[in-house]
Amino acid sequence: AQKVTQAQTEISVVEKEDVTLDCVYETRDTTYYLFWYKQPPSGELVFLIRRNSFDEQNEISGRYSWNFQKSTSSFNFTITASQVVDSAVYFCALSDIRGSEKLVFGKGTKLTVNP
Amino acid sequence: NAGVTQTPKFRILKIGQSMTLQCTQDMNHNYMYWYRQDPGMGLKLIYYSVGAGITDKGEVPNGYNVSRSTTEDFPLRLELAAPSQTSVYFCASTQVSNQPQHFGDGTRLSIL
Repeated sequence: AQKVTQAQTEISVVEKEDVTLDCVYETRDTTYYLFWYKQPPSGELVFLIRRNSFDEQNEISGRYSWNFQKSTSSFNFTITASQVVDSAVYFCALSDIRGSEKLVFGKGTKLTVNP
Repeated sequence: NAGVTQTPKFRILKIGQSMTLQCTQDMNHNYMYWYRQDPGMGLKLIYYSVGAGITDKGEVPNGYNVSRSTTEDFPLRLELAAPSQTSVYFCASTQVSNQPQHFGDGTRLSIL
């Protein structure tokens, strides 16, 4: 069965600090996809990134970067020079290629960035 | 650019009442999903559909029903509301499997 674990329930940092959100996943599939979504206090879900299991290159988008390591089944998310607007709940999710293409979500990490 | 539209945004129900949460998308997506989000938890899949006329159960389907008569609409039905169904409900859609899902803004449902 697929599983996503976000061990950090809540993280609090001061503005301009770097912060890493951990995501560990379990799957028996060799082909799968990993996602990160952001849920700001307003409640909507915002897509951040998708990564397939064959692409282990790290990705950087502005202040955001993602580190995918198949050897440790991890897909960690780092925010550099955090800002108050980064305050949100961040979800990691996993889907396989078979059948339903369902997303399995982690429980989320609540990030609070204080001024 | 409506995307995925959910109605209503908020609703309070009494135990035993029934209601339908509406979800419609204007992107011609084949895949549609219903999730619920409980406090401190991630999203859990209730039901999903891979196309008009085809639906299937997710992780937590008990107490809910769905239908998919058109590509655009995917309503979620609660027949006998129970306090355990108090949650925020999200509808999502995607055109191609494993592409990012587009989410609606959610429906906050309280059952008292």
